[in-house]
Amino acid sequence: ETGVTQSPTHLIKTRGQQVTLRCSSQSGHNTVSWYQQALGQGPQFIFQYYREEENGRGNFPPRFSGLQFPNYSSELNVNALELDDSALYLCASSSSATTGKYGYTFGSGTRLTVV
Amino acid sequence: GDSVTQMEGPVTLSEEAFLTINCTYTATGYPSLFWYVQYPGEGLQLLLKATKADDKGSNKGFEATYRKETTSFHLEKGSVQVSDSAVYFCALSDLRGGSYIPTFGRGTSLIVHP
Repeated sequence: ETGVTQSPTHLIKTRGQQVTLRCSSQSGHNTVSWYQQALGQGPQFIFQYYREEENGRGNFPPRFSGLQFPNYSSELNVNALELDDSALYLCASSSSATTGKYGYTFGSGTRLTVV
Repeated sequence: GDSVTQMEGPVTLSEEAFLTINCTYTATGYPSLFWYVQYPGEGLQLLLKATKADDKGSNKGFEATYRKETTSFHLEKGSVQVSDSAVYFCALSDLRGGSYIPTFGRGTSLIVHP
């Protein structure tokens, strides 16, 4: 059984650019959520997708958007990058929207640096 | 809204010392509580969980008890090892709009010296 995989592991972007981060959920998991973890902070919830529909969103502006595909993989898109978007972006999956009650499986993250 | 407060670090201990990392929470519903661990350069790993009051979660010598009366979920280990050095996150997962959404604390860095 494969875990959650994210790509790329690192990338550097210029302020104002757009970026797409990718996540493959653990086999059998249909719920994917994304988090932003700034240096020295805890993860902040961005949004969650369940069966290709967004079903929860944190306090992030609309320039943070996402998709979930029929195979339950997911993308996080960030437009008009700002310096404060520099962070570790984590993806997590669970077997359903309600099994988040029992915890999530996290990927290793994508380290985004905006210069 | 929901929130998690955990003690600031770093917590520095010698090998075989007793560990306590305090965590308290505020939630509107009946959340599940978790401890996650993050090793350098890696994502979060679920360490232990408790889904209802008075439950004790345990794993790898770590344990925490869900205390509803004090809204706490303190992490303990009787004898730490150098390999336990990592950042520990307390989290809750509460039902919002049909989904369980987690809220994390800021993390506590643990450094264990030989």
